[in-house]
Amino acid sequence: DTAVSQTPKYLVTQMGNDKSIKCEQNLGHDTMYWYKQDSKKFLKIMFSYNNKELIINETVPNRFSPKSPDKAHLNLHINSLELGDSAVYFCASSRQRLEGGGETQYFGPGTRLLVL
Amino acid sequence: DQQVKQNSPSLSVQEGRISILNCDYTNSMFDYFLWYKKYPAEGPTFLISISSIKDKNEDGRFTVFLNKSAKHLSLHIVPSQPGDSAVYFCAAIPNSGNTPLVFGKGTRLSVIA
Repeated sequence: DTAVSQTPKYLVTQMGNDKSIKCEQNLGHDTMYWYKQDSKKFLKIMFSYNNKELIINETVPNRFSPKSPDKAHLNLHINSLELGDSAVYFCASSRQRLEGGGETQYFGPGTRLLVL
Repeated sequence: DQQVKQNSPSLSVQEGRISILNCDYTNSMFDYFLWYKKYPAEGPTFLISISSIKDKNEDGRFTVFLNKSAKHLSLHIVPSQPGDSAVYFCAAIPNSGNTPLVFGKGTRLSVIA
């Protein structure tokens, strides 16, 4: 069974379009994340949701809007796509972090977005 | 400003030998460190972690060493196998709340048979 799944796996679209990427986790985790891996291969956090509530919103254009309908889902909607949005987007999830401890994040397979 | 640095973009090692992947960090608030392995067209998968209260954690062929005073950690793989060929990301978490991972740029390991 896939722990963290993303759809679609590949997305090719024209500049100016609006698109969504879906993410689902079946691990019972409380926290979900969206990361972007750019052309320089940096993996950077975009958003983090804990129990459907936004807790981290890095400096991301407001064309990007995450939506969490429930704890198991975190979707990413992108308006007015630009060439620079081309990247691989990874969803991840983790349990609530314990004080003084750490928590492994589990990643989805990634969505490869190409904006033409 | 890179808080987690992996200065070697690539590393080649003979099968059966030791692979040593290095990682340096600048933020003294990091207190938990992880290594992820990534194959092409897949998401990163967790490999091994270490808390800042330890200096070594071992899991089978994989050992992570942490030197807090030097702000340096390393991943040792011994013996290296061809299936270990992948990109390895070092990541760190600050000691507060539900914070995301801060990743290094990754090191591509090639294990040659």
